[in-house]
Amino acid sequence: DAGVIQSPRHEVTEMGQEVTLRCKPISGHNSLFWYRQTMMRGLELLIYFNNNVPIDDSGMPEDRFSAKMPNASFSTLKIQPSEPRDSAVYFCASSSLGLNQPQHFGDGTRLSIL
Amino acid sequence: KQEVTQIPAALSVPEGENLVLNCSFTDSAIYNLQWFRQDPGKGLTSLLLIQSSQREQTSGRLNASLDKSSGRSTLYIAASQPGDSATYLCAVPGDGRTYKYIFGTGTRLKVLA
Repeated sequence: DAGVIQSPRHEVTEMGQEVTLRCKPISGHNSLFWYRQTMMRGLELLIYFNNNVPIDDSGMPEDRFSAKMPNASFSTLKIQPSEPRDSAVYFCASSSLGLNQPQHFGDGTRLSIL
Repeated sequence: KQEVTQIPAALSVPEGENLVLNCSFTDSAIYNLQWFRQDPGKGLTSLLLIQSSQREQTSGRLNASLDKSSGRSTLYIAASQPGDSATYLCAVPGDGRTYKYIFGTGTRLKVLA
């Protein structure tokens, strides 16, 4: 079975550039989560969707961050303009709908903003 | 505000040893607790999910217990193997019936052959 697929795996770009991270959840999963992991702050939830609708975006750090889920099989996390402090590993996860469903993570995108 | 603490931060044991990883949380009003494993350069793999009505869950050599009243969970690994080397994280919902999980900082485990 294909797991959660994220692209790109690595991204290096200069400050001020737009960055778009992509995620394909597991087929049939109705919940999708975007996380950020750093050494300083650990793993933090940025936003999550149920049935393609954003439910809680309180973890999105600034207006520079935006996320979309145009359909059940695709989501993007965009940073515009990017800053060096955005450097982190960004994970996408998906699960079946329901509060007691385990989350399945992708391998992440390692983002470096120079 | 929910806070999650994991002790120890790092652990190194010889192969074959049984070991216990600890997780504590400040708000006991949770509906579940999850244990994850993270290998270097990889995402998290869900190991066990314990619902609030349960006291423990088992999967192979792994056993997780939950004591909501004391705000504690333990992950027991029997007969550890070098392949168990990874970082183990626990996570609980931040508040109420939400998908917003708060993660501990993890225990980095190394099992020596």
